[in-house]
Amino acid sequence: RKEVEQDPGPFNVPEGATVAFNCTYSNSASQSFFWYRQDCRKEPKLLMSVYSSGNEDGRFTAQLNRASQYISLLIRDSKLSDSATYLCVVNGRDSSYKLIFGSGTRLLVRP
Amino acid sequence: EADIYQTPRYLVIGTGKKITLECSQTMGHDKMYWYQQDPGMELHLIHYSYGVNSTEKGDLSSESTVSRIRTEHFPLTLESARPSHTSQYLCASSEGGQNYGYTFGSGTRLTVV
Repeated sequence: RKEVEQDPGPFNVPEGATVAFNCTYSNSASQSFFWYRQDCRKEPKLLMSVYSSGNEDGRFTAQLNRASQYISLLIRDSKLSDSATYLCVVNGRDSSYKLIFGSGTRLLVRP
Repeated sequence: EADIYQTPRYLVIGTGKKITLECSQTMGHDKMYWYQQDPGMELHLIHYSYGVNSTEKGDLSSESTVSRIRTEHFPLTLESARPSHTSQYLCASSEGGQNYGYTFGSGTRLTVV
């Protein structure tokens, strides 16, 4: 079983739609959680950290459910520029300094 | 404005050649990492370092080696390149700690012919 699992998608949504991605992780002791965005043939870029109480950054909302070991990302009012792959990231079993990246969920926003 | 730099961006090289991929960061981060990523596939950790003179192999077996003689510099070397080494190599650094993610360089896209 992978340490971080994501639905690969693609999620194909119209502009203005609300879309949500989930991710599950296997290490119950994980303390660090992030969402990264990766555009085609580019490096991953940090989108947002995920805090226990949930957090919001503009149109993006991240939630953490420790009991069920899943993380979610909600994107409201989708823009064409949101089209990318979204990576769920959790710290590894043996170190809080090693991050484990999920395979990513691909989002396509159409006009 | 990039605080972590990778060179070259693209490299096409013949089989058997020795190559070094450069990675430098100006943020004073102790933690640095090398990832390998094939197109459309996930990132695989191949090497990491938590400070000067400290290097460890990652989760994916790799024939490459790394060194960390200076905090800001973490080069990756392939002694004898093979077509199976064709991939994108991404360097990252981190301040460390619970809420600090990684900052990635732009990557080196390596093609071995």
